[in-house]
Amino acid sequence: DVKVTQSSRYLVKRTGEKVFLECVQDMDHENMFWYRQDPGLGLRLIYFSYDVKMKEKGDIPEGYSVSREKKERFSLILESASTNQTSMYLCASRGGGGELFFGEGSRLTVL
Amino acid sequence: KNQVEQSPQSLIILEGKNCTLQCNYTVSPFSNLRWYKQDTGRGPVSLTIMTFSENTKSNGRYTATLDADTKQSSLHITASQLSDSASYICVVASGGSYIPTFGRGTSLIVHP
Repeated sequence: DVKVTQSSRYLVKRTGEKVFLECVQDMDHENMFWYRQDPGLGLRLIYFSYDVKMKEKGDIPEGYSVSREKKERFSLILESASTNQTSMYLCASRGGGGELFFGEGSRLTVL
Repeated sequence: KNQVEQSPQSLIILEGKNCTLQCNYTVSPFSNLRWYKQDTGRGPVSLTIMTFSENTKSNGRYTATLDADTKQSSLHITASQLSDSASYICVVASGGSYIPTFGRGTSLIVHP
């Protein structure tokens, strides 16, 4: 089975802190995604990576950066966390058939 | 701009009843359409995939339909169970982009 693992299910951080969200997939997928999910807004794309060290901005990249140094790992970085970044963050990788495989999500609260 | 609209936004039904969720899309060129189920606090999981040539596909009590002419899809749930309570998300892939387009989802609550 494909497995996408997000490092933290729940995080509580303070305004201004640097936050790292890690995502690892075990199926050698080239494409990986970071989304945030908010009530009533659905999933919104933050960043997308189509290969190692390759990345593209999604719909809402402001305040975020990403890193993909190895194929299996895609990290989301909040350089200076703000309260409006309180959200559920979902990582996904895409298989050859186009199906997205999601992690369990990381619920971030910024105080 | 590619868009996916889902209706209703939320739905409450009694256990054992049937229901139908709708998805309208304006995505071009169309590649495929997937329905995902997202349980509370979990990541979405794919239920079905519909390609251009497919009209109907079943996965247990879930049946998806696709009308490529009107750009509409539906997900029908038969004999609902409490475990069907979840958010159902319609996702359309375009042949011209790496990035799929998501609907905002339908929240389904099944009451005993």
